[in-house]
Amino acid sequence: QSVLTQPPSVSAAPGQTVTISCSGSSSNIGSNPVSWYQQLPGTAPKLLIYDNNKRPSGIPDRFSGSRSGTSATLGIPGLQTGDEADYYCGTWDSSLSGYVFGTGTKVTVL
Amino acid sequence: QITLKESGPALVKPTQTLTLTCTFSGFSLSTSGVGVGWIRQPPGKALEWLALINWNNDKHYSPSLKGRLTITKDTSKNQVVLTMTNVDPVDTATYYCAHRPPGWVNFDFWGQGSPLTVSS
Repeated sequence: QSVLTQPPSVSAAPGQTVTISCSGSSSNIGSNPVSWYQQLPGTAPKLLIYDNNKRPSGIPDRFSGSRSGTSATLGIPGLQTGDEADYYCGTWDSSLSGYVFGTGTKVTVL
Repeated sequence: QITLKESGPALVKPTQTLTLTCTFSGFSLSTSGVGVGWIRQPPGKALEWLALINWNNDKHYSPSLKGRLTITKDTSKNQVVLTMTNVDPVDTATYYCAHRPPGWVNFDFWGQGSPLTVSS
């Protein structure tokens, strides 16, 4: 149902880097800024990245975002056990005239 | 400090109409550019955006649910209400409301969520 595609899961050892991709189209990622949300187990989502690469106050600079064409990427270097969560990309879709979320990616720290 | 809280029934029967209320503080829905959205998450599944209402009463709905949803605001009460008609067991989910800041296309503050089960 989602128009934004993410890998279902990624994993890495503590201290390593994970990257999560978010693939869309010209009507969403290609023309609107991307946000990323972190959802820790049993909690509400939290805004992690907005406007493709900006971090809200209080978000560690370990989290980084980028956008190229119709895809976006979230990077988490120096992985910590507290980073185990589900991550979602999101943006506005101009054709649908609505907000769209990605399929979600579960990050596991080995 | 922006806070939002969802309220509504925990259980509804199929075909009934669901009414969810988002009560917020720390901002006004009469401020230019501000919006409040509703998002849901079925158990073990991804987030799904449902609806958005802006400060100027402009409304947007998920195409897949349009026709079943109505979003309204009461600026004086700092509330946004989402109504969903003809609910079905597939509507079982946690329902969140969230603040959309002026000028940005994202949701920066979220409520804790209101779990809903649709079952006879």
